[in-house]
Formats: sequence, C-alpha cells, structure tokens
Amino acid sequence: AQSVAQPEDQVNVAEGNPLTVKCTYSVSGNPYLFWYVQYPNRGLQFLLKYITGDNLVKGSYGFEAEFNKSQTSFHLKKPSALVSDSALYFCAVRDNNNFNKFYFGSGTKLNVKP
Amino acid sequence: ETGVTQSPTHLIKTRGQQVTLRCSSQSGHNTVSWYQQALGQGPQFIFQYYREEENGRGNFPPRFSGLQFPNYSSELNVNALELDDSALYLCASSNPGGWSTEAFFGQGTRLTVV
Repeated sequence: AQSVAQPEDQVNVAEGNPLTVKCTYSVSGNPYLFWYVQYPNRGLQFLLKYITGDNLVKGSYGFEAEFNKSQTSFHLKKPSALVSDSALYFCAVRDNNNFNKFYFGSGTKLNVKP
Repeated sequence: ETGVTQSPTHLIKTRGQQVTLRCSSQSGHNTVSWYQQALGQGPQFIFQYYREEENGRGNFPPRFSGLQFPNYSSELNVNALELDDSALYLCASSNPGGWSTEAFFGQGTRLTVV
C-alpha cells in the first residue's frame, strides 16, 4: 500500500527565513511524488513533482523539494519565506496502478509571520 | 487557476437527502477523479472515471456514485446523506499522456449536511 505522512500539523517561520515542510512516503515500486498548496476556500494548486532524475526538484513560486530515497522523504523547501506563502500544504504520492488516484498526507499549515 | 470548474461552490442539504455535484474537466483531459476532504484532513480518493466508466474506487459506500459524459464532464451523486458527508468535494482531471503528469483540481464544492 502507498501512503505519505506529514509529521507536522503546523510550521511557523518568520518572513525572510528559510522554510521546510516535511513529508515521508511509503510506496511499492517507483515513487511519483507531488506537492500541492491550498489557500482558504480554494482547491489544490500544483507546486512541483518528482518523477525521476535529479533529487532536487524546482517548482512554482520559488519552492523546491528534495527527494531522498534512503530516508523515503520528500521535503518541501524555500530559501526565503513570504507572508503570502501562508497556506495549507499537502504532500501526495500517485498510485502505481491507478493513474488519477493520489494518496494525500494530512496537510501542514504554514504560518509565515512578518 | 486551472481549467477544472465545479458547481455549485456551496450547498446545504438535510440528512437523508440526495445531492449531485458537477465538474467540467480541463480541455483534453479524459480522466476525472473525485476526492472528499473532511475538515482538517487531506483529500481522500472516492473514484475515478475514464472514458465514461468507473475504473477505480476508494473506500466509499455504494451510495456514492458518479457519471462521466462524452464531453468528459462528470457528476458525483451522494444518496441518503449523512452528517459525516459534510466536506469539501474536489474534482481532478489529468492528461493520461503519461504518469509524470500532475492532476489539476477544481476549487471544490463545500457540502454541509444538517
């Protein structure tokens, strides 16, 4: 079975500081990993994905994520946080047998304070 | 914003009633899936439709059913509504051109069952 875990319900960071939102995964087969962001009363917006290749993946709005196979992690990072980055972040893994089926983590609320 | 649109945006229903939610997928996407996002949780996969047929289902009872139309739009029907059905319902579409593609989500329909 495939799953992802987001161990932190909430992350607080000051504007301008680096941020990390953690995600670990469990898959059978190749991992197809994704990060999505959700703003209040909105759907999910795609940020970035890891399919294969370089372990450091760059995405939208200055976000990047580091894939670590040995630690089965896919942490989301940004060098300098903005207040506007405050939102709910979801890590997800694609089901290897069902194309449009994703397993989502429980989400991490990012609070960036001025 | 993605090209996935959902209607209505908000809905209030009484326990025991039936509800129909609608989704128009992004142009060219013939695979549509539905997710339920309860408050404080990550989205949970309900089912997926490909070429007008259900071809994957999550752990949801049969009173959750769907349709996909020739234009790839989709409906989610829920019968005999229960209080626990209150959630944000998300529709997602993908281009089945490859497993590396991300899913595009609509803004969701907020269903409240009273």
